[in-house]
Formats: sequence, structure tokens, C-alpha cells
Amino acid sequence: EVQLVESGGGLVQPGGSLRLSCAASGFTFSSYSMNWVRQAPGKGLEWVSFISPSSSSTYYADSVKGRFTISRDNAKNLLYLQMNSLRAEDTAVFYCARVRITPGAPNDDSYYYMDVWGKGTTVTASS
Amino acid sequence: EIVLTQSPGTLSLSPGERATLSCRASQSVSGSRLAWYQQTPGQAPRLLIYGASKRATGIPDRFGGSGSGTDFTLTINRLEPEDFAMYYCQHYGSSLYSFGQGTRLEIK
Repeated sequence: EVQLVESGGGLVQPGGSLRLSCAASGFTFSSYSMNWVRQAPGKGLEWVSFISPSSSSTYYADSVKGRFTISRDNAKNLLYLQMNSLRAEDTAVFYCARVRITPGAPNDDSYYYMDVWGKGTTVTASS
Repeated sequence: EIVLTQSPGTLSLSPGERATLSCRASQSVSGSRLAWYQQTPGQAPRLLIYGASKRATGIPDRFGGSGSGTDFTLTINRLEPEDFAMYYCQHYGSSLYSFGQGTRLEIK
């Protein structure tokens, strides 16, 4: 069964740090790009960060750039999100999601979407 | 950066009716990069539609997606009780992913 399981969430004081993990199973983790997506309480979905299969490309939302670092260990099938200088507004459920980039029709663009999601881990930045 | 605006914010319908949800992009986008997700309370999002109109694996055929350019639509025919949820559109472009603010589909 294809599965993603997040861990590492918790209560942290503003200004503190936390590292989230996402354990992948049931598929060849090293072949897929991955995303972190978060959802503040009662709010919508917000994309946080992307990493390519070999870690050669990483992208970040402006709201976390310079504070968060995405990484992965393909030998251990693990995805990480190192979060530093946490703010109250970072309080959210954090999801990891598998990225799919599949060929479109001939002479057409590829399809980009997230097809597998974990259940999420909750991060609370509060004093 | 592409901004996605979903409407209506809340849609109140009865089981058996048809739901029409809109997602408008701030500029023309490739439909190949437009997806729709469903989220029920306390659960992770679930992929419904990718490439604007292609149903994901296991998604019932009462769910349909359409549109191009700046205007995209998610249609749900013959609403079932389990369809009442939040729905988000999402786009990828220029190394950024963006989500609409969501439409809440509630039972009337």
C-alpha cells in the first residue's frame, strides 16, 4: 500500500525550531518529487516546499524562505522539513504529498499534481 | 504568481442535485497544471481531478472537470452524502504551487 506518514510535530515557542519527517512506503521513493503543504486552523491549504527526486531542485513559498529547509534521505525513504525561527503564524497541520509529473498528450504540457498525501502532523508555535 | 479565486465560498445543495464549483486564475494557465482536491473535516486532501479534466484513480464518474485559460469548473452530478466537503483547486507554475481558498459544499 502506498503510504506517507508524517511525524515530529509538537508545541514550540516562537523563535524555536522543529524538524518534521515523512516516512514513505509502498513505492519507489527515490523516483518521486515531494511537497510539504500546510493548513492553519480553520484555513485553506498552503504549499510550503518542493524537492526533486535527487534533491537537485528545491523550492519554497515566500512565507518560509530562509527559515525552512526541505531535504530527503532516499536510502531511508524519508522526507524532512527543518523549520527554524518559527512564528505563531506557522501554526498548522503539515502534510507531505507525493508529486506526480506525467506526460500529457503529444505536443502538450505535462500534468502536475499531488496524488498521495499523508494524514499530517500538527505544529503549534505558541508561548 | 498565479492567484486562484474559487467561487462560491459556500454552496448549499441537497443530495441528488448537481454542484458546479468555479476556479478562476489571475492569468491564463495551462489546464495540464490544474488539479482539484476534496477535503473532509479532519482528513488529508484527496486528489479528484488533474489536467483540468482527468479523474484520478478511484474517483467516481459523477465528478467531472472542465475549463481552459482562466476559467475552470468542477462539476459533481447526483450529490451523495459523502460529497459534502471542502474543495480546492491548485495550479503549478514557475516553480510555485498555489491553491484556491476553497469552496465549502454543505447540505441544504
